[in-house]
Amino acid sequence: AQRVTQPEKLLSVFKGAPVELKCNYSYSGSPELFWYVQYSRQRLQLLLRHISRESIKGFTADLNKGETSFHLKKPFAQEEDSAMYYCALRAGNTPLVFGKGTRLSVIA
Amino acid sequence: EAGVVQSPRYKIIEKKQPVAFWCNPISGHNTLYWYLQNLGQGPELLIRYENEEAVDDSQLPKDRFSAERLKGVDSTLKIQPAELGDSAVYLCASSKGPAPNIQYFGAGTRLSVL
Repeated sequence: AQRVTQPEKLLSVFKGAPVELKCNYSYSGSPELFWYVQYSRQRLQLLLRHISRESIKGFTADLNKGETSFHLKKPFAQEEDSAMYYCALRAGNTPLVFGKGTRLSVIA
Repeated sequence: EAGVVQSPRYKIIEKKQPVAFWCNPISGHNTLYWYLQNLGQGPELLIRYENEEAVDDSQLPKDRFSAERLKGVDSTLKIQPAELGDSAVYLCASSKGPAPNIQYFGAGTRLSVL
């Protein structure tokens, strides 16, 4: 079965510091990986997906099949980045499997 | 464009009572999902519909949970009877079709069972 692990429940960084939210997955095939974000009092929304290879709000994520990781990175954190971040995996037509989430707190 | 609409936003009931949640997906989205999100956890799929057909309900506890999407648009999720452990956020999402289409989530219904 597929599994997504986000080892940090809470990550606190200072404004302007680099951010890395960790995500590891277990799946033997070629998965599709996503990062979803939930800002305070807002709904869960897609931040980025690995097949798009794009940068959204300064965030990037690279799929590392050797390390089975899909870490989310941003070089300079902003206060508005404070939110709950969920890594998710999809294998073929199977449902999305979410990690438990990491709460990012950016301190001014 | 309106997003996925869920109601109610909050519901408080006593155990053993029935409860129902309603979801209106984005117009034109044929695929609809119900997720359960327990405190401190990520969303977990309960059921997926393609139009009016439930194509994946393997995670739905069928002894007390039921869902329907009669006309392939709106959907309701019901619990009868509710138990204390059902306290959670129930999320609805929709997409234009199955994978690889992007899922759009509603704001969720927070259920508290006392």
